[in-house]
Amino acid sequence: DAKTTQPTSMDCAEGRAANLPCNHSTISGNEYVYWYRQIHSQGPQYIIHGLKNNETNEMASLIITEDRKSSTLILPHATLRDTAVYYCIVRAGYNTDKLIFGTGTRLQVFP
Amino acid sequence: GAGVSQSPSNKVTEKGKDVELRCDPISGHTALYWYRQSLGQGLEFLIYFQGNSAPDKSGLPSDRFSAERTGGSVSTLTIQRTQQEDSAVYLCASSLVPGSGNTIYFGEGSWLTVV
Repeated sequence: DAKTTQPTSMDCAEGRAANLPCNHSTISGNEYVYWYRQIHSQGPQYIIHGLKNNETNEMASLIITEDRKSSTLILPHATLRDTAVYYCIVRAGYNTDKLIFGTGTRLQVFP
Repeated sequence: GAGVSQSPSNKVTEKGKDVELRCDPISGHTALYWYRQSLGQGLEFLIYFQGNSAPDKSGLPSDRFSAERTGGSVSTLTIQRTQQEDSAVYLCASSLVPGSGNTIYFGEGSWLTVV
């Protein structure tokens, strides 16, 4: 299974863009990159996912490098409610399909 | 329902007792997952069901843990002879057919406290 590497923590000022990096250098061709976040100990919330192309939805944008070895989640205008642990996950294989969570990045948005 | 539903939301049990945790996946979702998260820790995969295939039990920590999924819908996670280290939030998730980039949606979890 491909592994991901994320910074342990990041800070971001409210209203500014939060750019969360993720390395997944061993990703294989049919594996997607998923982003989830978890606020306190609530159930993880889906944010966005992608395979090769950049993706955007109402929550965030996902930028995947051409070689697919890394990606960046962008929250364009961070708010205090975006304070959470953000998980970058590579889908664990084509057949098993389970998500394997790492330790994530703790994003602190400050006023 | 609109989302993944789990019950009970909170459970306090005495050490040594058995507990059952229930998960109702999103209607039509064929894949169902159980995870647990101890306080301050990451999410730990437990078990995965997909349709009529044999479940992936590779994450179950001991033989005190078991899960079943009846009729391809509702799932029950059973913990026998509970121990204090079993205290955690148990999260259920579901998705449509896997292998096609479908999103996995999580419930709010069942908080288990073993005293």
